[in-house]
Amino acid sequence: RKEVEQDPGPFNVPEGATVAFNCTYSNSASQSFFWYRQDCRKEPKLLMSVYSSGNEDGRFTAQLNRASQYISLLIRDSKLSDSATYLCVVPQGYNKLIFGAGTRLAVHP
Amino acid sequence: NAGVMQNPRHLVRRRGQEARLRCSPMKGHSHVYWYRQLPEEGLKFMVYLQKENIIDESGMPKERFSAEFPKEGPSILRIQQVVRGDSAAYFCASSPLASSTDTQYFGPGTRLTVL
Repeated sequence: RKEVEQDPGPFNVPEGATVAFNCTYSNSASQSFFWYRQDCRKEPKLLMSVYSSGNEDGRFTAQLNRASQYISLLIRDSKLSDSATYLCVVPQGYNKLIFGAGTRLAVHP
Repeated sequence: NAGVMQNPRHLVRRRGQEARLRCSPMKGHSHVYWYRQLPEEGLKFMVYLQKENIIDESGMPKERFSAEFPKEGPSILRIQQVVRGDSAAYFCASSPLASSTDTQYFGPGTRLTVL
């Protein structure tokens, strides 16, 4: 089993849609989690941190289910500018980030 | 406050040549990480360094790859005798602390192409 697994993409949605991405992780000892966003040929940028059951920031909501070792990212009212690859990230130890392969989102008019 | 800087942004090498990638962390950050992203894949951890020390190199290939973070100057990722399979984007990240909750800030990456 991979350390971090994500929904296969791509997700093609119209503007205004709500879309959810799933991520599972294998290390039950993991305490913190991140969602990063990566635009084509650019560096990853932190979107949200998740330390407890969840986190909400505007149109973005991240939820954590420790029992199932599952993290989700919900995007409401999708914008064209949300088109990107979303990376589920689980730190290992103090310093090593383990990245999922990413889920590609394409928002169309 | 400048972010993480990497240079060059693009690097072309022929098989057998050496590639040197440079990373200057954000001001005040003493922890540097290198990640590699192969085409159509996720980022993979390579190495974690503090000033003058390699802390974790568990993701580094055993041969041809080395990294350093000297007391003065940028961190360097060095790839000797490059092969086509080394073609990838190499991202550097930095953080002020070494903590699983601490955000790592990424540089723009160096895209290495091996001909």
